[in-house]
Amino acid sequence: EAGVAQSPRYKIIEKRQSVAFWCNPISGHATLYWYQQILGQGPKLLIQFQNNGVVDDSQLPKDRFSAERLKGVDSTLKIQPAKLEDSAVYLCASSLTSGDSYEQYFGPGTRLTVT
Amino acid sequence: DAKTTQPPSMDCAEGRAANLPCNHSTISGNEYVYWYRQIHSQGPQYIIHGLKNNETNEMASLIITEDRKSSTLILPHATLRDTAVYYCIVRVADGAQKLVFGQGTRLTINP
Repeated sequence: EAGVAQSPRYKIIEKRQSVAFWCNPISGHATLYWYQQILGQGPKLLIQFQNNGVVDDSQLPKDRFSAERLKGVDSTLKIQPAKLEDSAVYLCASSLTSGDSYEQYFGPGTRLTVT
Repeated sequence: DAKTTQPPSMDCAEGRAANLPCNHSTISGNEYVYWYRQIHSQGPQYIIHGLKNNETNEMASLIITEDRKSSTLILPHATLRDTAVYYCIVRVADGAQKLVFGQGTRLTINP
């Protein structure tokens, strides 16, 4: 089965510019997650969707970050305007919402550098 | 905050068993122990999970103590490709539950 797809893989922007990341989850996975991973740290959840509804966005900096999941499939994460501290890898993951595992499958991530 | 404590780094010789410890002394009765690993420049990968019984799959074995306050992930015959950061996570087995990652253990397999 195809894995979680993300694009672009790398992005370099200047501070105050905007950027968008795209994620296509595994087919049939209702739950989609966006994580931020700063160098040397574990991933931190930014936002979680179930179908096209937001389940948890408590750690999303809403003044500059936004995310949507139209039609409950693909998702886009946007940063506007970017700050230097937003330099990180942005990981998308998806999972089923029933069964006994709830294993999350991660994409390869988008490495963002803000200069 | 992560509910687990892991050593920051470990080394293991290729071909030997790698034993990665994890302390989770505040684990609740309905929380499972999950292990993920992250190879350099890749997203985290699920390895194994368990509630209270020991578990084994094609990748690893998970040994959970009887009081469930700690566990050990065992890679029986480590290879160079097992070099990665290993994360121990406790969570309820619920599709709505996010993963809360700590710092993990950086495991280096030496030739």
